[in-house]
Amino acid sequence: EPEVTQTPSHQVTQMGQEVILRCVPISNHLYFYWYRQILGQKVEFLVSFYNNEISEKSEIFDDQFSVERPDGSNFTLKIRSTKLEDSAMYFCASRPGQGGSPLHFGNGTRLTVT
Amino acid sequence: AQSVTQLGSHVSVSEGALVLLRCNYSSSVPPYLFWYVQYPNQGLQLLLKYTSAATLVKGINGFEAEFKKSETSFHLTKPSAHMSDAAEYFCAVRPPNTGNQFYFGTGTSLTVIP
Repeated sequence: EPEVTQTPSHQVTQMGQEVILRCVPISNHLYFYWYRQILGQKVEFLVSFYNNEISEKSEIFDDQFSVERPDGSNFTLKIRSTKLEDSAMYFCASRPGQGGSPLHFGNGTRLTVT
Repeated sequence: AQSVTQLGSHVSVSEGALVLLRCNYSSSVPPYLFWYVQYPNQGLQLLLKYTSAATLVKGINGFEAEFKKSETSFHLTKPSAHMSDAAEYFCAVRPPNTGNQFYFGTGTSLTVIP
């Protein structure tokens, strides 16, 4: 069964550094998402992406965050200047787009900001 | 705004006992409803979904959920708990025709006691 793949599985970075989290959504899916989960807490929506542009974003997704689909297969989340509070699991998800199609999640990238 | 309430952040059941995890949503129009399971250090895996067909939905691993419009509920059940069911469970909703965002509950941690 096709899967959403995320790399790296774990990223350690210093405060103020830029990080890029990478995702390869399922190939025939049309909608792409990033969520984050701070350790032991709820799953928080960051952004959704459709037709090569952001369709919705949350308050968390401020100017420090950006997303890109550079080549038709990868979907990246960039954090320009990381803060300690950005430490979390970041999940990429995609869905085909028909009606009530569910999200398919990757296994996540654990980001640790020191 | 949409909200999803999962009553009980922690639920413990004995092996072989009934599992009942509660989910209520707020929406004037029945949304699409989903249950996801998250095992430690993994992504979210779809258990089942409701998309306006049968109100009793069967999912993987013996789980099922019943959509009750009058109660705005979508509780998850399993007749007999297994040790392998110990995980975090998330209820999620996506309102129809109002964007692409999925709203997640705060999760319920299920412990199965041998």
